Amino acid sequence: AQSVAQPEDQVNVAEGNPLTVKCTYSVSGNPYLFWYVQYPNRGLQFLLKYITGDNLVKGSYGFEAEFNKSQTSFHLKKPSALVSDSALYFCAVRDMGGTGGFKTIFGAGTRLFVKA
Amino acid sequence: DTEVTQTPKHLVMGMTNKKSLKCEQHMGHRAMYWYKQKAKKPPELMFVYSYEKLSINESVPSRFSPECPNSSLLNLHLHALQPEDSALYLCASSQNRAETQYFGPGTRLLVL
Repeated sequence: AQSVAQPEDQVNVAEGNPLTVKCTYSVSGNPYLFWYVQYPNRGLQFLLKYITGDNLVKGSYGFEAEFNKSQTSFHLKKPSALVSDSALYFCAVRDMGGTGGFKTIFGAGTRLFVKA
Repeated sequence: DTEVTQTPKHLVMGMTNKKSLKCEQHMGHRAMYWYKQKAKKPPELMFVYSYEKLSINESVPSRFSPECPNSSLLNLHLHALQPEDSALYLCASSQNRAETQYFGPGTRLLVL
């Protein structure tokens, strides 16, 4: 069965410092991996995805993620955090098995606090 | 344009009411989704439509009834809801089943 784990409920970082939000996954077959961000009382915004190709994926708002097949990880990173990055971040994997890719499995979410 | 719109933004309804949520996208996407999200939790898939046909129903109670009138519209009809159905209801769409899902801003539903 496909699954996604975000081991940290919350990440605190000072503005200007690099940030990392962790994600590990378990899939059968090739992973289709996504990161989304959610601001309060808003829908999810797509940040980036990995399907194939370069292991370092660049996305919106200066975020990037590194796909590591051996560690089954897809950590989200940003070189310099902004206060406005404070939000809830979801890692997700597409279930390409039984549901043929229709079902997205989300991690529990990690709340990022960036302190000024 | 990657916009998915949802109306209304907020909805308060009694347990005997009938109401509908509406979702619209004009990106030519052929897959559309309804999710339910409780506070500080990940979205939970409810329904998936592909080419205007219901593809997935995640064992959702019949008091929720989805409808896809055309390729751009997705409705969720609500009837006899319970207070525990109060949540943020998110609509999403994707080009096809493997592609990126784009989410609407959601409808905040309160059932009294």
